[in-house]
Amino acid sequence: DADVTQTPRNRITKTGKRIMLECSQTKGHDRMYWYRQDPGLGLRLIYYSFDVKDINKGEISDGYSVSRQAQAKFSLSLESAIPNQTALYFCATSVAISSYNEQFFGPGTRLTVL
Amino acid sequence: AQSVSQHNHHVILSEAASLELGCNYSYGGTVNLFWYVQYPGQHLQLLLKYFSGDPLVKGIKGFEAEFIKSKFSFNLRKPSVQWSDTAEYFCAVTPKGGGNKLTFGTGTQLKVEL
Repeated sequence: DADVTQTPRNRITKTGKRIMLECSQTKGHDRMYWYRQDPGLGLRLIYYSFDVKDINKGEISDGYSVSRQAQAKFSLSLESAIPNQTALYFCATSVAISSYNEQFFGPGTRLTVL
Repeated sequence: AQSVSQHNHHVILSEAASLELGCNYSYGGTVNLFWYVQYPGQHLQLLLKYFSGDPLVKGIKGFEAEFIKSKFSFNLRKPSVQWSDTAEYFCAVTPKGGGNKLTFGTGTQLKVEL
């Protein structure tokens, strides 16, 4: 969905480096999410934010941190990248109305940690 | 916590064959259910969703899914697949009123042969 953008789209880095993945949205949604996708494991939630002042850990937050700089921006950081963080990372957004939980996904960032 | 099982990891069909992909979830309360599709090299897109009402829901591109509460299932169906349906399909669940945290299944890779 062009309304949710991620940068970079591809990144190769080395073990121990700090990496930031960025997500921006023009949908006006309050809620934003970071997932990682691994073959055979589906998507797993890393962090989520229901508004600028609300950030929560997902099921696999270890080794990651996030920053919600504004309603439209949600960044994911790998403080010291390791090879098993090689994955496809997706950002998603949704409205705050609880009955409508559809999430809209960005195009993904393919991260390779050597 | 909720969980989602997709038992078919890889499915190969010929064009015009019928499709049924299984999805079972585990959760003690009421849920919202989704099927997302990921075409090769693309981000996830919503195929269909169930919130309440008629348990047979219709989505885009001729897909439908039936929610069977007693079986905790939300199977995806299509009467006649096309080559362009080749993609990975993810079932996802979120508890009603519990925020928008989606739990995804591990995905089913569908290949449609000409």
